[in-house]
Amino acid sequence: DGGITQSPKYLFRKEGQNVTLSCEQNLNHDAMYWYRQDPGQGLRLIYYSQIVNDFQKGDIAEGYSVSREKKESFPLTVTSAQKNPTAFYLCASSIGAMNTGELFFGEGSRLTVL
Amino acid sequence: QKEVEQNSGPLSVPEGAIASLNCTYSDRGSQSFFWYRQYSGKSPELIMSIYSNGDKEDGRFTAQLNKASQYVSLLIRDSQPSDSATYLCAVNSHNQGGKLIFGQGTELSVKP
Repeated sequence: DGGITQSPKYLFRKEGQNVTLSCEQNLNHDAMYWYRQDPGQGLRLIYYSQIVNDFQKGDIAEGYSVSREKKESFPLTVTSAQKNPTAFYLCASSIGAMNTGELFFGEGSRLTVL
Repeated sequence: QKEVEQNSGPLSVPEGAIASLNCTYSDRGSQSFFWYRQYSGKSPELIMSIYSNGDKEDGRFTAQLNKASQYVSLLIRDSQPSDSATYLCAVNSHNQGGKLIFGQGTELSVKP
């Protein structure tokens, strides 16, 4: 079955630690995205990538980093510079460029900072 | 003013009733509008897209768009308890190069 796989589903981190969230897709989609969702809020864009080896900052990129070395993979690193990292992180992909609006989401990764 | 605004709810309707979810947006140049459904603890899934003024129907769901009023809505007919979820409105922002902007979502509760 085609889809987007995020791991881990739940992650606990101590303050000062970097953590990496995995996102893999087998949909052959060109574009991939990372969103953050806080309780009672909509999705906020962290980073996006429209092609391998290229990515752009979204609205809240500070304290995060990404890479896009393969079409299928778009990992997100939450660094110690991120002041309030506890959130639900969603990876998504789309067939074409971002402005199609038709995103396919993974199941999400819930990060808690202890 | 937020770029995409929704009432956070919760909106509570009895089973079998029509649920009406509303969304306003600020970018008059926006051309594409979407409704995503998100069950508690799960990821969003696209349920409707609309690009032209008027109504678009898909089963029990109807999306309505009024670009002059900068207003998009989602009607759910014959609401079922399984429709209980948060509904996210998303708009492609013309001012921001087509970036997808999400509202904060409206929580819908359908009571048996």
